[in-house]
Amino acid sequence: GQQLNQSPQSMFIQEGEDVSMNCTSSSIFNTWLWYKQDPGEGPVLLIALYKAGELTSNGRLTAQFGITRKDSFLNISASIPSDVGIYFCAGQSTTSGTYKYIFGTGTRLKVLA
Amino acid sequence: EAQVTQNPRYLITVTGKKLTVTCSQNMNHEYMSWYRQDPGLGLRQIYYSMNVEVTDKGDVPEGYKVSRKEKRNFPLILESPSPNQTSLYFCASSKGIEQYFGPGTRLTVT
Repeated sequence: GQQLNQSPQSMFIQEGEDVSMNCTSSSIFNTWLWYKQDPGEGPVLLIALYKAGELTSNGRLTAQFGITRKDSFLNISASIPSDVGIYFCAGQSTTSGTYKYIFGTGTRLKVLA
Repeated sequence: EAQVTQNPRYLITVTGKKLTVTCSQNMNHEYMSWYRQDPGLGLRQIYYSMNVEVTDKGDVPEGYKVSRKEKRNFPLILESPSPNQTSLYFCASSKGIEQYFGPGTRLTVT
């Protein structure tokens, strides 16, 4: 099945540092989404992006929808311990009447206090 | 409280023994979906449903069945489970783009 290439796979950073992660695809998506998953829980939506070039912020998080519609990135500024978790990108395509979601493989973030 | 519930949360079973994982949402959402999560592979969509009696395959539907007889319920059925279906399963529902995920069901097939 189709998957998105997400990098890095994991990151260890110091509290207060900024974090960047990205997602690339061979396919075009109509919507890009970023989720965070805490241990033992389901993913929670952080940011949704709806058009190419869009830059959206949610607190310390900023995400961009790539101009080619085949990539997206997420930045977290001034990381704090509760940022620990797995971050997933997801693309949604509505071509041919389908409404599938394709998820990336995840970036595991660990923050050292 | 708005939520997606799944049952059971943990299940250990044997190869070939039919099982059903239930999913229910109380938000009157039309779209519901099932995913499996495996290490290094992220979440992969198994099946989704746009509304009652409307279901469609996701990326990894083989070995699974679903039904959507009521808007609130979307059970996942494994007719003959195999060890490669050992995984963490999530149900999700949404009205628009934001999916609300259930707490997950950890399934082990021996």
